[in-house]
Amino acid sequence: DIVMTQSPDSLAVSLGERASINCKSSQSVLYSSNNKNYLAWYQQKPGQPPKLLIYWASTRESGVPDRFSGSGSETDFTLTISSLQAEDVAVYYCQQYYNTPQWTFGQGTKVEIK
Amino acid sequence: QVQLVESGGGVVQPGRSQRLSCAASGFSFSSYDMHWVRQAPGKGLEWVAVIWHDGSNEYYADSVQGRFTISRDNSKNTLYLQMNSLRVEDTAVYYCARGFSLGYFQNWGQGTLVTVSS
Repeated sequence: DIVMTQSPDSLAVSLGERASINCKSSQSVLYSSNNKNYLAWYQQKPGQPPKLLIYWASTRESGVPDRFSGSGSETDFTLTISSLQAEDVAVYYCQQYYNTPQWTFGQGTKVEIK
Repeated sequence: QVQLVESGGGVVQPGRSQRLSCAASGFSFSSYDMHWVRQAPGKGLEWVAVIWHDGSNEYYADSVQGRFTISRDNSKNTLYLQMNSLRVEDTAVYYCARGFSLGYFQNWGQGTLVTVSS
């Protein structure tokens, strides 16, 4: 299985400041035939189910604010919130879908307001 | 809009069985692969099982292989998870999720809590 490791486990950021979450996969999730990274990011607010934010490592899901962006390739990825808002307090998960039919998630990163 | 509503959770004793359901609406259910994902209390997300859009294939996480069975009834727009030989460590919120072409999980239900305890 591909192991996904996120860092940090938690971070506290002031309102309006930038938050960055890293995700590292144990092997490349870049599919060479189509040059796509099989990596998604999800947001889970307290008491709610996860919500898809980004797929193919950098494509925002419809309706997701543009302060959320994804970057990276092969084994190293980053989710960036450019200007943290109060409603962004949540746990964020990365997920690989390269090694299907076995999907794996990172352990999650909790984002709080400083 | 897409709606996924899980049901069937509750308290069950170790070694017993439980069946979860997920009622889907707002999309062409028979066109999508469907998943179960679980989350133990205070923990992260764990993929559990997937079933192809036509029910022709199913795959499981090692942790549930041989104990859980995923199925679907496309005429009823409903996904199921039959859980046998339940263990304390199966305690979790179980989510159903709509998959996009063997890729990411585009929509999630609200989840149903299964507590395995004597």
